[in-house]
Amino acid sequence: GDSVTQMEGPVTLSEEAFLTINCTYTATGYPSLFWYVQYPGEGLQLLLKATKADDKGSNKGFEATYRKETTSFHLEKGSVQVSDSAVYFCALSEDNFNKFYFGSGTKLNVKP
Amino acid sequence: DAGVIQSPRHEVTEMGQEVTLRCKPISGHDYLFWYRQTMMRGLELLIYFNNNVPIDDSGMPEDRFSAKMPNASFSTLKIQPSEPRDSAVYFCASSWGTEPPTEYFGPGTRLTVL
Repeated sequence: GDSVTQMEGPVTLSEEAFLTINCTYTATGYPSLFWYVQYPGEGLQLLLKATKADDKGSNKGFEATYRKETTSFHLEKGSVQVSDSAVYFCALSEDNFNKFYFGSGTKLNVKP
Repeated sequence: DAGVIQSPRHEVTEMGQEVTLRCKPISGHDYLFWYRQTMMRGLELLIYFNNNVPIDDSGMPEDRFSAKMPNASFSTLKIQPSEPRDSAVYFCASSWGTEPPTEYFGPGTRLTVL
């Protein structure tokens, strides 16, 4: 069945450090891939998405590239800020389906 | 649009009581999802609807949980009787059947069962 695996946290970085959060997936078809972010006390918000192999999703300085050969969708940001502290979820959705599969979430703490 | 609306935002109840959580999806969305989030189990999909019809309820933990969607603008998740292990944050999300679908989450209801 479909599933998403992401690195365990928490990840603690200093401001302006480089961020990578690893995400790999298992899917039977050709999924769309997503990163969601959850700030404290709030619901999940879509951060970025990619719909096919080699697509790059980007938003707010975050990027992730859909790598079919390695079944990965790693989240990166060149210079994190304190305001990026949140929990990040990787997710997939199969074509023509609206059911999402979420990873377990990775908590990011950014220190000034 | 106001986004997905959930009520109440916080609920504290005693074991054995009935709890009803409410959700209003974004207008025009034809999919609605209920999730539960806990520290131990992370984010779990409980049930989802398409055009008000339940499609997959395999995530509903047991018969104490039930969900309804009487119309396109309203859904409820009911727990009867509630137990302390039901304490969690319950999220409602909605989407529409475009490619790719994108789920929009509500702010959640934090449930505490004493």
